Amino acid sequence: GAVVSQHPSWVICKSGTSVKIECRSLDFQATTMFWYRQFPKQSLMLMATSNEGSKATYEQGVEKDKFLINHASLTLSTLTVTSAHPEDSSFYICSASLLVTDTQYFGPGTRLTVL
Amino acid sequence: AQSVTQLDSQVPVFEEAPVELRCNYSSSVSVYLFWYVQYPNQGLQLLLKYLSGSTLVKGINGFEAEFNKSQTSFHLRKPSVHISDTAEYFCAVILMGSTGANNLFFGTGTRLTVIP
Repeated sequence: GAVVSQHPSWVICKSGTSVKIECRSLDFQATTMFWYRQFPKQSLMLMATSNEGSKATYEQGVEKDKFLINHASLTLSTLTVTSAHPEDSSFYICSASLLVTDTQYFGPGTRLTVL
Repeated sequence: AQSVTQLDSQVPVFEEAPVELRCNYSSSVSVYLFWYVQYPNQGLQLLLKYLSGSTLVKGINGFEAEFNKSQTSFHLRKPSVHISDTAEYFCAVILMGSTGANNLFFGTGTRLTVIP
């Protein structure tokens, strides 16, 4: 099956710093990538959808200036949490889908802890 | 509006016993349906999906689910669970014709705990 990786898997940072999370599709070209956020014991909440070469579409309530998404190639999307604060601590998960299928393949997630 | 409902937040079951995890959805349009499993500290893994065709769908690890359009349900079943099945299970739907491309709407999850 299709494989999606995320890096780093775990990051701890100080409040006010920025953190970049990478999402890569390893064996397929992903036209569309998705970024989710998952709070403890809760479901995944879609943050934004990104298509290669175009601006990301953010869900309502998600600050686009705080969560910068770049989808520069068909195998790489990045999420940058700018000026992170403790309330941004969460599990961030990306997924990628092929152009003509409806299955999203998920990365293993990145746990962000902001001190 | 809540598109996906997982009524049971936690389901404990003894090893080798059968299990059913319930999922209901609400939609006025056709849907694609999915079950994902999340093991501790890991990302989501696709168990199975229903896009069209036979309403009984078989997935990995011995799981299966049946799409029931009249009851708007997509319950997940396994005839005999193993300790390694302990995980969080998420039901999800894609609403056909929605403006967002392939946007998955997730249920709140069901934690399956298999008791030795």
